[in-house]
This record gives sequence, structure tokens and C-alpha cells, in this order.
Amino acid sequence: GIQVEQSPPDLILQEGANSTLRCNFSDSVNNLQWFHQNPWGQLINLFYIPSGTKQNGRLSATTVATERYSLLYISSSQTTDSGVYFCAAITQGGSEKLVFGKGTKLTVNP
Amino acid sequence: DTEVTQTPKHLVMGMTNKKSLKCEQHMGHRAMYWYKQKAKKPPELMFVYSYEKLSINESVPSRFSPECPNSSLLNLHLHALQPEDSALYLCASSLTWALGEQYFGPGTRLTVT
Repeated sequence: GIQVEQSPPDLILQEGANSTLRCNFSDSVNNLQWFHQNPWGQLINLFYIPSGTKQNGRLSATTVATERYSLLYISSSQTTDSGVYFCAAITQGGSEKLVFGKGTKLTVNP
Repeated sequence: DTEVTQTPKHLVMGMTNKKSLKCEQHMGHRAMYWYKQKAKKPPELMFVYSYEKLSINESVPSRFSPECPNSSLLNLHLHALQPEDSALYLCASSLTWALGEQYFGPGTRLTVT
């Protein structure tokens, strides 16, 4: 099945810093999503982005489907951005299951 | 409205108890999912319902029994669980199976004693 790899596994920032999270996937995808899991366990949808670029406030994401990677950009980070960021994907013509990467744990210090 | 609701938020049960987790969505989605998440791990798929029919069972033990009474509701019946079943149980939905964005509920944190 599809392999989804995220980097870095851990990231510590000072408030106000910018960061880039990466997601590599092993096959062509129908669905690629970025989530933020808050300390209470809620998975918050950030982007549905099988290809192209999207922006939402301080966050933006780019998926280059032909090169099988996606990037999540966080600008001017805030302490409330802390948590785990997951990338998840469903392959084209594959098992039709949303497969998650292991996540990037982000800590933003004041 | 992109809300998936789950009840209860927390559940503590003994190994001989029977309990149920409930999930509801009113987005007109025809695919619903149960995921299990252990601490410091990503969510793992358990079951997929498509148009109220069970489409995927990821070799889940029979002590977990899913049910989809209608297109808006998804239940997970629990019986004779083991302590290692303690986890966060997440429900999700999407417009159709394997296509479209999946939306997750807040989860039920289950502790088996």
C-alpha cells in the first residue's frame, strides 16, 4: 500500500518563527489532507489538497503530485499552533483507505 | 456545517461491560469511518461504511461490532474489551468512500479497566 512519510518528526519554534513541514508519498493520490491534532485529540482539517496550492490565513500548502510530495507552511507561528500535524493520503486505484503519516509534533514556545 | 459529533467524550468500562459509541453527521455524507488512535501514533482505520453497508473491516476483533442504522448515524458496540483496547476512537465521514475530504469528530477517549 501507499507509504506516507513526514518530516521532521519534531519541531520546536519560538513564537513568530516560520516553518515548513514535508510529506512524501509513494504513489499517485486522489486525496491528500493535512490535519492539526490539538492536545484534546481533535483532528482539525487544514487543507484538502491532492494538487496545487492553497492558503488559509497564516497557513498555506502546496502539493506537487508529479513529484509525490506536499508541503505545509506555517508563518508567524503562535503558541496555539502547537500540536501534531498529520498528512494523510488515498492512492489512485489503490486500497481506498486514508493512510496517515506518523506526524510532526510542533511545539511553539512564547 | 462540517461537524461530526461523537458521544460520549470519555468512557471507562470494565472488561465484562457492554457499551456503545455513537457518531452522527448531517452533511449528507454517504461514507462513514471508525478509526482507532493509540497514544503518540497516527489514527488507524477500523471500519468503512458506504451507503450504510460495511465495505471494509480491517481485521478488527469481533469484540468491536459496528452498526450503521441510517446514513447519518454510526455506532460502535463494545463487548468484553481488553485493557489494550484503551485508545481514542475517532469517527469520520466523507461525501463518498475514498473520494472527497474526510471530516473527523472529536473522538471518544476509552479506558478499559
